[in-house]
Amino acid sequence: GQQLNQSPQSMFIQEGEDVSMNCTSSSIFNTWLWYKQDPGEGPVLLIALYKAGELTSNGRLTAQFGITRKDSFLNISASIPSDVGIYFCAGHGAGNNRKLIWGLGTSLAVNP
Amino acid sequence: KAGVTQTPRYLIKTRGQQVTLSCSPISGHRSVSWYQQTPGQGLQFLFEYFSETQRNKGNFPGRFSGRQFSNSRSEMNVSTLELGDSALYLCASSLGSGTGVFEAFFGQGTRLTVV
Repeated sequence: GQQLNQSPQSMFIQEGEDVSMNCTSSSIFNTWLWYKQDPGEGPVLLIALYKAGELTSNGRLTAQFGITRKDSFLNISASIPSDVGIYFCAGHGAGNNRKLIWGLGTSLAVNP
Repeated sequence: KAGVTQTPRYLIKTRGQQVTLSCSPISGHRSVSWYQQTPGQGLQFLFEYFSETQRNKGNFPGRFSGRQFSNSRSEMNVSTLELGDSALYLCASSLGSGTGVFEAFFGQGTRLTVV
């Protein structure tokens, strides 16, 4: 099925560093969602974006809905050990009956 | 407000058996989606139900089926289990069609192991 191109696939950083990851699509989306998943748990919604160009923050996390409506990025500032996990992007196209399309995830490891 | 509840959390089944997993969505949510997740893989979409009707279906064999009840609770069933069905099965609920809100909220998942 259709998937989003999410990059990077994995990251290993030092505590305190900033992190950036992004998702791109060949088609236009009306909604972008960013999730974080801890091992053995379900993904937790971090940020939802509904408008092209929208920039939204949630604590140290900032996400943007690309102007072209075909991409989105997530930044994490001043990373801490509990930021470890897998981050997923998801997009929803036009129409109420379309399902969410998912990226394959970015695995983040933080070295204390 | 209670979150999405999935039962059971863990399950061990033998190849060839069948299994039923349950999902209770957030109160007021009418859409329930199911996903399969295996190590190193993303979320593989199984199906979505809205108001007791299957609205979308992923590329899984007919051994995977689901249903939704009038109270929005959902079950998924896997018959004739295979070793490759071992995975974390996730349920997500959302408000659903017509609301313009597509945020999905996940349960903790059911870890199925087929031996």
